[in-house]
Amino acid sequence: DQQVKQNSPSLSVQEGRISILNCDYTNSMFDYFLWYKKYPAEGPTFLISISSIKDKNEDGRFTVFLNKSAKHLSLHIVPSQPGDSAVYFCAASGYTNAGKSTFGDGTTLTVKP
Amino acid sequence: NAGVTQTPKFRVLKTGQSMTLLCAQDMNHEYMYWYRQDPGMGLRLIHYSVGEGTTAKGEVPDGYNVSRLKKQNFLLGLESAAPSQTSVYFCASSPTSGTPPGELFFGEGSRLTVL
Repeated sequence: DQQVKQNSPSLSVQEGRISILNCDYTNSMFDYFLWYKKYPAEGPTFLISISSIKDKNEDGRFTVFLNKSAKHLSLHIVPSQPGDSAVYFCAASGYTNAGKSTFGDGTTLTVKP
Repeated sequence: NAGVTQTPKFRVLKTGQSMTLLCAQDMNHEYMYWYRQDPGMGLRLIHYSVGEGTTAKGEVPDGYNVSRLKKQNFLLGLESAAPSQTSVYFCASSPTSGTPPGELFFGEGSRLTVL
């Protein structure tokens, strides 16, 4: 029973356009959500997070939206750049220990010049 | 600016052999974790530690043991390696959890192949 799902294994967008990566979760106890970015042969790096008391968090070109009633979150990248090409992992956890996160399987984003 | 360092980066084992992966962090973080990542899958938590001398089981702990004798080090051991343990292993650390929750700082990964 996968508690965090990223249903799109891959996404391809044109440079300058918007990239939207989606994530669904089933455990209503999750109240903190994070996105990580991973390049080949490197460890994941933290990108952006959101707590369940918010519905939006923005950091530069990256915005995460949370819809608690639908148990759905999305990561928007605007504008997309070739350097954004990577695997993006959605993760969810309880608020008190965000390190004990449950990860989705990842979405490979390719931004074409 | 080392952050989280894992050794070795690559290792090939035969079934039944033992080995230890070492993780070291220089950020004075209290919490440390071992995750594994299999092809096409997300990261799954093996074991974690909330401080020196403490360890706890994660989602997939079977076949692994850990130790946290020093705050900066977290060791992952395989006593009798099996082909199912072929994976990429990531160590991570985070500041003390609480308010606000800490993000994870990952090492570069250790690729283990068990023949």
